[in-house]
Amino acid sequence: SYELTQPPSVSVSPGQTASIACSGNKLGDKYASWYRQKPGQSPILVIYQDTKRPSGIPERFSGSKSGNTATLTVSETQAMDEADYYCQAWDGSTALFGGGTKLTVL
Amino acid sequence: EVQLVQSGAEVKKPGESLKISCKGSGYTFTTYWIAWVRQMPGKGLEWMGIIYPDDSDTRYSPSFQGQVTISADKSINTAYLQWNSLRASDTAMYYCARHGAGYAPFDYWGQGTLVTVSS
Repeated sequence: SYELTQPPSVSVSPGQTASIACSGNKLGDKYASWYRQKPGQSPILVIYQDTKRPSGIPERFSGSKSGNTATLTVSETQAMDEADYYCQAWDGSTALFGGGTKLTVL
Repeated sequence: EVQLVQSGAEVKKPGESLKISCKGSGYTFTTYWIAWVRQMPGKGLEWMGIIYPDDSDTRYSPSFQGQVTISADKSINTAYLQWNSLRASDTAMYYCARHGAGYAPFDYWGQGTLVTVSS
């Protein structure tokens, strides 16, 4: 079955840049989306179609893709960015989520 | 303003049935798919399936096929997730989320419904 793989955790110092990778077979042929989920809250969309940012999402959030790996980058990381981040893609008519990455701002 | 409002938390016993709901507003309900997503305690997001409210076209994740039923009533802009016989392992937060045609992202999410199954 198709899987998306993310690192369980990423740590970053305030003001620095955090990168979260998401890899999957043939992800290069699919669009990746990214969601942020803070404790006790619903997920929100932060990146879609690999690189696009919904209105209201700060420019500090960006997405990229190289080969079968999509990457979410958070620049000038702030304490408020601490959350779980999930990548997501479609495999045919089935949606898949990565296992999630806990971003810790130390 | 687009909103997805879900029904309240439920506490059930194993073997009981349950139907939770997700009411859309602020957009044309029949032109977007509604997905259901499970999040077990302390775990990640799992896509369960989707429904297109206009014609009730429904797709299920193989992991959830036969375990739950997704339905919708377009006359009241509401989608449903139903269990006929709950298990303790169904204890989780359940989210509904909207997405557009094709391989669109989930752009709006409900607030979640916590389902607790315990004897």
